[in-house]
Amino acid sequence: AQSVTQPDIHITVSEGASLELRCNYSYGATPYLFWYVQSPGQGLQLLLKYFSGDTLVQGIKGFEAEFKRSQSSFNLRKPSVHWSDAAEYFCAVGEGSGNTGKLIFGQGTTLQVKP
Amino acid sequence: DTEVTQTPKHLVMGMTNKKSLKCEQHMGHRAMYWYKQKAKKPPELMFVYSYEKLSINESVPSRFSPECPNSSLLNLHLHALQPEDSALYLCASSPGMSGRSNEQFFGPGTRLTVL
Repeated sequence: AQSVTQPDIHITVSEGASLELRCNYSYGATPYLFWYVQSPGQGLQLLLKYFSGDTLVQGIKGFEAEFKRSQSSFNLRKPSVHWSDAAEYFCAVGEGSGNTGKLIFGQGTTLQVKP
Repeated sequence: DTEVTQTPKHLVMGMTNKKSLKCEQHMGHRAMYWYKQKAKKPPELMFVYSYEKLSINESVPSRFSPECPNSSLLNLHLHALQPEDSALYLCASSPGMSGRSNEQFFGPGTRLTVL
């Protein structure tokens, strides 16, 4: 069965520092991968996605992610964090078998930004 | 128009009340979803509609009743809820249900409190 693991439940970084949020997935074929961000009390906003092709994908708000098949990872990065980046981040993989529309979410990583 | 809207933003109801949540999208998407989200947890899939027909019911109690009147609208009818049903209810839509077309766009959610 597919699964997504976000090893870090909570991360604190200083404003202006670089950021990397980890995501590992378990999936047999080429996965469809997503990163979403959720501010408190809000819905989920898609940051970026990977379907195929270039393994380094650019997203909104200065985020990027790199797909590494050999490591089954899809880590999210940002070179310089802003205070407004404080939020919950979810990695997800699209369930590929069948036509279910299901997304398998990781448990999320809470990002805190210190001034 | 690239957004999913949800009304109301907040809802407080007693255990004997009947209320409805509404979701709307005008992106021409053929799949629509209801999720339930508890604090600090990933969204949990409840229902999936594809081409206005119920495709997936994730064993949701019958006190939750979904309805898809047309391709742009999705409702969730609530009746005799329990306090543990208090959560953020998210609606999402996607062009389709498999592979690349399963890129889901989320609404801002309805914060439901059951007294």
